[in-house]
Amino acid sequence: QQQVKQSPQSLIVQKGGISIINCAYENTAFDYFPWYQQFPGKGPALLIAIRPDVSEKKEGRFTISFNKSAKQFSLHIMDSQPGDSATYFCAASDSGDAGGTSYGKLTFGQGTILTVHP
Amino acid sequence: DTEVTQTPKHLVMGMTNKKSLKCEQHMGHRAMYWYKQKAKKPPELMFVYSYEKLSINESVPSRFSPECPNSSLLNLHLHALQPEDSALYLCASSPSRDREAFFGQGTRLTVV
Repeated sequence: QQQVKQSPQSLIVQKGGISIINCAYENTAFDYFPWYQQFPGKGPALLIAIRPDVSEKKEGRFTISFNKSAKQFSLHIMDSQPGDSATYFCAASDSGDAGGTSYGKLTFGQGTILTVHP
Repeated sequence: DTEVTQTPKHLVMGMTNKKSLKCEQHMGHRAMYWYKQKAKKPPELMFVYSYEKLSINESVPSRFSPECPNSSLLNLHLHALQPEDSALYLCASSPSRDREAFFGQGTRLTVV
């Protein structure tokens, strides 16, 4: 019920291409979906986040698409650059009533290692 | 100041040692978190503090003891750790538990 499934595990893209990472969740109480980018030896950095009242959110080259009925969301990185090479984690949390069991908890996907070749 | 600062960056400790990890934020965030991350794995939640009170403990062994002295500081006291506790320990904060979490750079802990 708490799981977030992320795919693919690894992704290789050429410079200028589009990187697409997908996540699926089961817990219908989840209503906040952030994506994090992590470089080796560093902490995760918040990239972009979405709530289920919108189907898409764009910030620069990064876009989240959200499908509430399918319980799926994805990250698209347009014009991928070598500097985008990192591990990407999707996550989900519950911002409902304080009595919710997942309130305040980020449930992470397993991560995607993105490599962008020059 | 938009950072979560963790010290030390690296720590090597023996199994009989007592050490502490420190985390500091000056963004006025009222929720603070400890996560543990093993190599090539996602962060795993350990503890959540909300308004300086422990609100979630994810069944973490008692050899890990969190402390929140005030709204800006979060400590993790370590005692009698095992080699399998070696990991990257991440602190995070957020304005409230239903908002985005901002992570520090982590403390790389090695237990020998």
